[in-house]
Amino acid sequence: EAGVVQSPRYKIIEKKQPVAFWCNPISGHNTLYWYLQNLGQGPELLIRYENEEAVDDSQLPKDRFSAERLKGVDSTLKIQPAELGDSAVYLCASSRTSGGWDTQYFGPGTRLTVL
Amino acid sequence: GDSVTQMEGPVTLSEEAFLTINCTYTATGYPSLFWYVQYPGEGLQLLLKATKADDKGSNKGFEATYRKETTSFHLEKGSVQVSDSAVYFCALSESSNYQLIWGAGTKLIIKP
Repeated sequence: EAGVVQSPRYKIIEKKQPVAFWCNPISGHNTLYWYLQNLGQGPELLIRYENEEAVDDSQLPKDRFSAERLKGVDSTLKIQPAELGDSAVYLCASSRTSGGWDTQYFGPGTRLTVL
Repeated sequence: GDSVTQMEGPVTLSEEAFLTINCTYTATGYPSLFWYVQYPGEGLQLLLKATKADDKGSNKGFEATYRKETTSFHLEKGSVQVSDSAVYFCALSESSNYQLIWGAGTKLIIKP
Protein backbone atom coordinates (compact mmCIF):
# COMPACT_ATOMS: atom_id res chain seq x y z
CA GLU A 1 0.00 0.00 0.00
CA ALA A 2 1.43 3.34 -1.04
CA GLY A 3 1.87 5.92 1.68
CA VAL A 4 0.91 9.56 1.77
CA VAL A 5 2.65 11.42 -1.04
CA GLN A 6 3.64 15.07 -0.81
CA SER A 7 5.37 17.40 -3.20
CA PRO A 8 7.58 19.25 -3.41
CA ARG A 9 9.89 18.00 -0.66
CA TYR A 10 11.68 21.31 -0.40
CA LYS A 11 10.76 24.83 -1.42
CA ILE A 12 12.69 28.07 -1.09
CA ILE A 13 10.93 31.33 -1.89
CA GLU A 14 11.25 34.99 -1.14
CA LYS A 15 8.80 36.68 1.18
CA LYS A 16 5.58 37.93 -0.36
CA GLN A 17 5.70 35.20 -3.01
CA PRO A 18 2.96 32.58 -3.27
CA VAL A 19 3.62 28.87 -2.66
CA ALA A 20 1.55 25.72 -2.94
CA PHE A 21 1.92 22.23 -1.51
CA TRP A 22 0.28 19.10 -2.84
CA CYS A 23 -0.81 15.95 -1.02
CA ASN A 24 -2.13 12.60 -2.20
CA PRO A 25 -3.50 10.55 0.73
CA ILE A 26 -3.59 6.80 1.12
CA SER A 27 -6.23 5.25 -1.09
CA GLY A 28 -9.51 4.83 0.74
CA HIS A 29 -8.70 7.33 3.48
CA ASN A 30 -11.55 9.78 3.81
CA THR A 31 -9.94 12.08 6.35
CA LEU A 32 -7.06 14.35 5.40
CA TYR A 33 -5.09 16.69 7.63
CA TRP A 34 -2.61 19.48 7.05
CA TYR A 35 -0.16 20.22 9.85
CA LEU A 36 2.61 22.72 10.40
CA GLN A 37 5.72 21.60 12.26
CA ASN A 38 8.34 23.99 13.56
CA LEU A 39 11.82 22.73 14.36
CA GLY A 40 11.95 20.79 17.60
CA GLN A 41 8.21 20.83 18.14
CA GLY A 42 5.22 18.61 17.58
CA PRO A 43 2.85 19.19 14.66
CA GLU A 44 0.11 21.81 14.84
CA LEU A 45 -3.12 21.13 13.02
CA LEU A 46 -4.06 23.62 10.30
CA ILE A 47 -7.09 22.01 8.70
CA ARG A 48 -8.98 18.74 8.57
CA TYR A 49 -11.08 17.40 5.68
CA GLU A 50 -13.76 14.77 5.69
CA ASN A 51 -13.94 13.83 2.02
CA GLU A 52 -14.12 17.19 0.23
CA GLU A 53 -15.49 19.15 3.18
CA ALA A 54 -13.23 21.20 5.45
CA VAL A 55 -14.75 20.31 8.82
CA ASP A 56 -12.18 22.06 11.02
CA ASP A 57 -10.22 25.05 9.75
CA SER A 58 -10.21 26.99 13.00
CA GLN A 59 -6.40 27.04 13.16
CA LEU A 60 -5.86 28.06 9.54
CA PRO A 61 -4.71 31.70 9.13
CA LYS A 62 -7.30 32.51 6.52
CA ASP A 63 -5.88 35.88 5.59
CA ARG A 64 -3.00 34.18 3.77
CA PHE A 65 -3.59 30.43 3.85
CA SER A 66 -6.11 28.51 1.79
CA ALA A 67 -6.70 24.85 1.08
CA GLU A 68 -8.85 22.70 -1.12
CA ARG A 69 -9.61 19.05 -1.59
CA LEU A 70 -11.41 18.69 -4.85
CA LYS A 71 -13.18 15.35 -5.42
CA GLY A 72 -12.25 14.31 -1.90
CA VAL A 73 -8.86 12.85 -2.79
CA ASP A 74 -5.83 15.08 -3.47
CA SER A 75 -5.42 18.30 -1.55
CA THR A 76 -3.53 21.54 -2.05
CA LEU A 77 -2.43 23.99 0.62
CA LYS A 78 -1.54 27.50 -0.51
CA ILE A 79 0.12 30.47 1.13
CA GLN A 80 -0.17 33.89 -0.44
CA PRO A 81 1.77 35.98 0.34
CA ALA A 82 4.39 34.06 2.31
CA GLU A 83 6.03 35.64 5.35
CA LEU A 84 9.35 34.88 7.01
CA GLY A 85 7.55 33.24 9.92
CA ASP A 86 5.97 30.67 7.60
CA SER A 87 9.28 28.81 7.31
CA ALA A 88 8.48 25.34 8.64
CA VAL A 89 7.70 21.81 7.56
CA TYR A 90 4.18 21.30 6.22
CA LEU A 91 2.89 17.82 6.83
CA CYS A 92 -0.06 16.07 5.27
CA ALA A 93 -1.65 13.09 6.99
CA SER A 94 -4.60 10.84 6.28
CA SER A 95 -6.71 8.32 8.16
CA ARG A 96 -9.47 5.95 7.22
CA THR A 97 -11.90 7.58 9.63
CA SER A 98 -11.84 10.55 11.98
CA GLY A 99 -12.21 8.40 15.09
CA GLY A 100 -9.73 9.12 17.85
CA TRP A 101 -8.56 5.50 17.85
CA ASP A 102 -7.72 5.58 14.15
CA THR A 103 -4.11 5.99 13.10
CA GLN A 104 -3.04 9.04 11.17
CA TYR A 105 -0.43 8.30 8.51
CA PHE A 106 1.95 11.10 7.63
CA GLY A 107 3.68 12.06 4.45
CA PRO A 108 7.35 13.09 4.35
CA GLY A 109 6.49 16.77 4.50
CA THR A 110 7.45 19.86 2.53
CA ARG A 111 10.20 21.96 4.07
CA LEU A 112 9.49 25.60 3.28
CA THR A 113 12.15 28.27 3.61
CA VAL A 114 11.05 31.88 3.20
CA LEU A 115 13.91 34.32 2.60
CA GLY B 1 -7.77 20.47 28.43
CA ASP B 2 -5.95 17.35 27.37
CA SER B 3 -2.15 17.39 27.40
CA VAL B 4 0.91 15.18 26.96
CA THR B 5 4.19 15.57 28.81
CA GLN B 6 7.38 13.88 27.67
CA MET B 7 10.81 13.77 29.22
CA GLU B 8 13.08 16.41 27.82
CA GLY B 9 15.90 15.50 25.54
CA PRO B 10 18.26 14.94 24.15
CA VAL B 11 18.69 11.48 25.57
CA THR B 12 22.11 10.06 24.76
CA LEU B 13 22.82 6.35 25.15
CA SER B 14 25.40 3.86 24.04
CA GLU B 15 24.47 1.10 21.63
CA GLU B 16 22.79 -1.92 23.32
CA ALA B 17 21.71 0.16 26.31
CA PHE B 18 18.18 -0.04 27.74
CA LEU B 19 15.88 2.81 26.75
CA THR B 20 13.01 4.44 28.57
CA ILE B 21 11.32 7.61 27.39
CA ASN B 22 8.68 8.77 29.83
CA CYS B 23 5.28 10.00 28.71
CA THR B 24 2.40 11.05 30.94
CA TYR B 25 -0.93 12.48 29.95
CA THR B 26 -4.03 14.24 31.19
CA ALA B 27 -7.33 13.53 29.51
CA THR B 28 -11.00 13.95 30.33
CA GLY B 29 -12.15 10.75 28.65
CA TYR B 30 -10.63 7.48 27.49
CA PRO B 31 -7.93 8.35 25.00
CA SER B 32 -5.96 6.28 22.56
CA LEU B 33 -2.22 6.67 22.98
CA PHE B 34 0.44 6.74 20.29
CA TRP B 35 4.17 6.85 19.84
CA TYR B 36 5.41 8.36 16.60
CA VAL B 37 9.03 8.47 15.45
CA GLN B 38 10.65 11.01 13.16
CA TYR B 39 13.99 10.09 11.61
CA PRO B 40 16.22 12.92 10.38
CA GLY B 41 14.77 14.58 7.31
CA GLU B 42 11.71 12.37 7.24
CA GLY B 43 8.05 12.57 8.16
CA LEU B 44 6.36 11.11 11.21
CA GLN B 45 5.86 7.36 11.35
CA LEU B 46 3.59 5.53 13.72
CA LEU B 47 5.74 3.37 15.97
CA LEU B 48 3.03 1.81 18.15
CA LYS B 49 -0.31 2.53 19.73
CA ALA B 50 -2.71 1.35 22.43
CA THR B 51 -6.41 2.07 22.50
CA LYS B 52 -7.44 0.99 26.00
CA ALA B 53 -6.07 0.56 29.48
CA ASP B 54 -3.53 -2.25 30.01
CA ASP B 55 -3.01 -2.67 26.26
CA LYS B 56 0.60 -3.06 25.22
CA GLY B 57 1.73 -1.70 21.90
CA SER B 58 4.89 -3.09 20.34
CA ASN B 59 6.90 -2.71 17.16
CA LYS B 60 10.56 -3.03 16.11
CA GLY B 61 11.55 -4.06 19.63
CA PHE B 62 9.86 -1.04 21.21
CA GLU B 63 7.06 -1.47 23.74
CA ALA B 64 4.70 0.77 25.67
CA THR B 65 1.91 -0.16 28.08
CA TYR B 66 -1.19 2.00 28.59
CA ARG B 67 -1.33 2.58 32.36
CA LYS B 68 -4.55 4.30 33.32
CA GLU B 69 -3.76 4.33 37.04
CA THR B 70 -0.58 6.34 36.50
CA THR B 71 -1.76 8.05 33.27
CA SER B 72 1.44 6.96 31.57
CA PHE B 73 2.60 5.43 28.30
CA HIS B 74 6.35 5.06 28.68
CA LEU B 75 8.35 3.86 25.68
CA GLU B 76 10.94 1.11 26.28
CA LYS B 77 13.44 -0.88 24.29
CA GLY B 78 15.79 -3.48 25.67
CA SER B 79 18.77 -2.87 23.41
CA VAL B 80 19.01 0.24 21.26
CA GLN B 81 20.88 0.57 17.99
CA VAL B 82 22.47 3.53 16.27
CA SER B 83 19.64 3.39 13.74
CA ASP B 84 17.15 4.20 16.52
CA SER B 85 18.49 7.75 16.67
CA ALA B 86 15.47 9.95 15.97
CA VAL B 87 12.90 12.18 17.64
CA TYR B 88 10.11 10.34 19.44
CA PHE B 89 6.68 11.91 19.98
CA CYS B 90 4.02 10.73 22.38
CA ALA B 91 0.45 11.68 21.47
CA LEU B 92 -3.12 11.06 22.54
CA SER B 93 -6.49 11.23 20.91
CA GLU B 94 -9.85 11.10 22.63
CA SER B 95 -12.22 8.47 21.26
CA SER B 96 -14.76 11.14 20.42
CA ASN B 97 -12.28 13.54 18.89
CA TYR B 98 -9.99 13.12 15.92
CA GLN B 99 -7.45 15.66 17.14
CA LEU B 100 -4.04 14.40 18.15
CA ILE B 101 -2.54 16.11 21.19
CA TRP B 102 1.25 15.96 20.94
CA GLY B 103 4.09 15.95 23.39
CA ALA B 104 7.09 18.16 22.67
CA GLY B 105 9.19 15.27 21.38
CA THR B 106 12.31 13.63 22.77
CA LYS B 107 15.46 13.50 20.71
CA LEU B 108 17.31 10.20 21.10
CA ILE B 109 20.99 9.92 20.20
CA ILE B 110 22.61 6.50 20.16
CA LYS B 111 26.41 6.37 20.07
CA PRO B 112 28.27 3.34 18.74
